[in-house]
Amino acid sequence: QQPVQSPQAVILREGEDAVINCSSSKALYSVHWYRQKHGEAPVFLMILLKGGEQKGHDKISASFNEKKQQSSLYLTASQLSYSGTYFCGTEIWSVGAAGNKLTFGGGTRVLVKP
Amino acid sequence: GAGVSQSPSNKVTEKGKDVELRCDPISGHTALYWYRQSLGQGLEFLIYFQGNSAPDKSGLPSDRFSAERTGGSVSTLTIQRTQQEDSAVYLCASSLRAQGRNTEAFFGQGTRLTVV
Repeated sequence: QQPVQSPQAVILREGEDAVINCSSSKALYSVHWYRQKHGEAPVFLMILLKGGEQKGHDKISASFNEKKQQSSLYLTASQLSYSGTYFCGTEIWSVGAAGNKLTFGGGTRVLVKP
Repeated sequence: GAGVSQSPSNKVTEKGKDVELRCDPISGHTALYWYRQSLGQGLEFLIYFQGNSAPDKSGLPSDRFSAERTGGSVSTLTIQRTQQEDSAVYLCASSLRAQGRNTEAFFGQGTRLTVV
């Protein structure tokens, strides 16, 4: 089952903050965050593992609430370069012997304006 | 190679024809994924390979879709009797596996498939 992301889209002014949420109905092994710019492949931002840790990448950080099976991505003091579509990927148990697989939410479009 | 390579980058095919999409993962990456992305949409999981284990095919939308991975490296996604709704960008990704988890996924640039 793929995770659910919210909001679907957000428009920011440069310097403003935003939060993107990701939730799953399945027990999670990890949460990945990626950003995709128009016409390009998704690019990895960070992984969060079980344990409720928080990670950061420049002024982009994320948290993982294992009990609620939720993760949030925080865009702080947004820059024009933050524009793109953000995807959360959740690692859940996979059918068969292949082990955990990575499935993605529908994405959140972020537009940062000057 | 330096990154995940996919070919062709663009493919236009007639409805009803078969197509093969190729993915060369990063050398040494045991995990390989195929995703489909329709215009402006999310990443739809198709299939997942991990080492020599049986693949997880649970995301394949119909029996017209199949994929194989030879020698734990190159993968081919085959779509038989293509339909217009198959038009999308097909993305391949690979990753390492460490401590029972898959590490960051590296994506190829995708194959844009157009069925006319």
